[in-house]
Amino acid sequence: NAGVTQTPKFQVLKTGQSMTLQCAQDMNHEYMSWYRQDPGMGLRLIHYSVGAGITDQGEVPNGYNVSRSTTEDFPLRLLSAAPSQTSVYFCASSFGPGGEQFFGPGTRLTVL
Amino acid sequence: GESVGLHLPTLSVQEGDNSIINCAYSNSASDYFIWYKQESGKGPQFIIDIRSNMDKRQGQRVTVLLNKTVKHLSLQIAATQPGDSAVYFCAEAYRDGATNKLIFGTGTLLAVQP
Repeated sequence: NAGVTQTPKFQVLKTGQSMTLQCAQDMNHEYMSWYRQDPGMGLRLIHYSVGAGITDQGEVPNGYNVSRSTTEDFPLRLLSAAPSQTSVYFCASSFGPGGEQFFGPGTRLTVL
Repeated sequence: GESVGLHLPTLSVQEGDNSIINCAYSNSASDYFIWYKQESGKGPQFIIDIRSNMDKRQGQRVTVLLNKTVKHLSLQIAATQPGDSAVYFCAEAYRDGATNKLIFGTGTLLAVQP
């Protein structure tokens, strides 16, 4: 099992550019989520999905879109990058929303 | 990565000593709690969890204590090793209507001195 994989590991964008952060898991988990981690603020939930075809907003969804066409993949799209979106992004998956979450290695994003 | 460790409370211990990391949670309706370990440049890793119907749960070298009266959670690490150096943070889970919420704390940096 590869677990949860994320690409890219690092990314630099200019303000206004768009991009997609990729996340995949091979554990057949129904629940997947995206978090951002900023210094002194812990992990904050951006969007989550309880299964293929179902997504919902988390605590800080503005400026991000997600889709869940398959159980394995949960990409996060930045529509028009802003410096405030400079952060480390983690994807996580679990069998259910209240259980142990497995995290990917993260994507460090810098928006200039 | 390294920037996560800045501005965090830090606990410095000697190798071989026991470590106690504390966490205050906010919601009295929280019924599930998790401790995570995050090493520099890596994603958080599950350590141990506890449900609200328990006061204590033990794992390998780790113990989690839950005090619901004062909404306090602690993680005890026995015989701390250099490999335990990381940021540790707790998370609380509760039901909000039809949604399960998981809220993470900001973390404590554990520095183990050889």
